[in-house]
Amino acid sequence: EAQVTQNPRYLITVTGKKLTVTCSQNMNHEYMSWYRQDPGLGLRQIYYSMNVEVTDKGDVPEGYKVSRKEKRNFPLILESPSPNQTSLYFCASKETDSISYEQYFGPGTRLTVT
Amino acid sequence: AQTVTQSQPEMSVQEAETVTLSCTYDTSENNYYLFWYKQPPSRQMILVIRQEAYKQQNATENRFSVNFQKAAKSFSLKISDSQLGDTAMYFCAFMRGFGNEKLTFGTGTRLTIIP
Repeated sequence: EAQVTQNPRYLITVTGKKLTVTCSQNMNHEYMSWYRQDPGLGLRQIYYSMNVEVTDKGDVPEGYKVSRKEKRNFPLILESPSPNQTSLYFCASKETDSISYEQYFGPGTRLTVT
Repeated sequence: AQTVTQSQPEMSVQEAETVTLSCTYDTSENNYYLFWYKQPPSRQMILVIRQEAYKQQNATENRFSVNFQKAAKSFSLKISDSQLGDTAMYFCAFMRGFGNEKLTFGTGTRLTIIP
């Protein structure tokens, strides 16, 4: 089954404790992206990757890091989480050819930073 | 930069009725794609319908259809014969032409179908 998986699905942590949210896709997609969803703001892009070792900032990258060492994985790293990073996080992937329009979303990770 | 505006934070409608969700966007691009996503209580993002800007014909998917007005930069979603399972948050989203895959989302409309 084609899918994007994220782990963990729920996480409660404390300010300053480094954490990683994993994202993996089994569709051999080149493009992967992270979004955060906040009430009244919709989803906003954090980082994206066009392929292995190619990453770039989205609209709200502050406080986040990413890496893309393998095509299927795109982890989101919070080196020193703060309460304003409490949010719902989505990973997404997509083919980059000219005929594929759909982005496939993971199930979401609910992060609470206290 | 592109912006997407959904001016209806919440809507409710009786089951079996028709409801229209509004979306406007701002862009200087000529080639782009528009989408409606559904987010039920499970939080999963589900693609409902898409529209390519170069197509004049409005997209339809079963009970879902869009009214795409390119000159007015308007992209509304019509849900016919609404069902209880349509209760969800609906997001309008914009994507530029290929090579820049970012989705720009609106703030969402929470739709409740009343039995």
